[in-house]
Amino acid sequence: AQKITQTQPGMFVQEKEAVTLDCTYDTSDPSYGLFWYKQPSSGEMIFLIYQGSYDQQNATEGRYSLNFQKARKSANLVISASQLGDSAMYFCAMRGRAGGTSYGKLTFGQGTILTVHP
Amino acid sequence: DVKVTQSSRYLVKRTGEKVFLECVQDMDHENMFWYRQDPGLGLRLIYFSYDVKMKEKGDIPEGYSVSREKKERFSLILESASTNQTSMYLCASSYLVRTGGQGAFGSSYNEQFFGPGTRLTVL
Repeated sequence: AQKITQTQPGMFVQEKEAVTLDCTYDTSDPSYGLFWYKQPSSGEMIFLIYQGSYDQQNATEGRYSLNFQKARKSANLVISASQLGDSAMYFCAMRGRAGGTSYGKLTFGQGTILTVHP
Repeated sequence: DVKVTQSSRYLVKRTGEKVFLECVQDMDHENMFWYRQDPGLGLRLIYFSYDVKMKEKGDIPEGYSVSREKKERFSLILESASTNQTSMYLCASSYLVRTGGQGAFGSSYNEQFFGPGTRLTVL
């Protein structure tokens, strides 16, 4: 069974500072993918960044980077230069493999609410 | 742009009513998913479908059923709504990825695209 744990129910950061949102995972599957989604108060889920278990380098997308530590089974999201618009709920999710075909099922963590202060 | 739409943003129903939540995607995705989102629990998978008329149970299928008669449409059905089904319901879709090996899967992208959600209240 797969499990994702986000231990920070809420985080606060000052505008323009960097913030790290924690995510640890558990799986016995050697091949998996890790995703981060952002959910603003409006409710839509916005895909931010992806890391494959065999990717050699940490993923980056603009101000988002994923600190992937495979041995520790952690996939923390780092947001640099925080903006007021970054205030939202953030979810970490994992996709495992089902035989030779990925149905793309995701297992989500509990989420972390990020508040950016001016 | 991928678009996933859901029939209602807000819905209020009474206990015992039959409730239909509709989801439509316009990207010809094979996979479609229904999640419910509750505070402190994140998103939990109810059902998913990887082809027309195909369905698979997720982690919390009890009290729900689904229907997929056309590729673009995936319906979630609450046969007899109960107050503990008050929640936010999110639909998502993605391509079906067929992999030839661990390396290919590990590097495949294939994110899910989500609809705006339906906030259902059962009184």
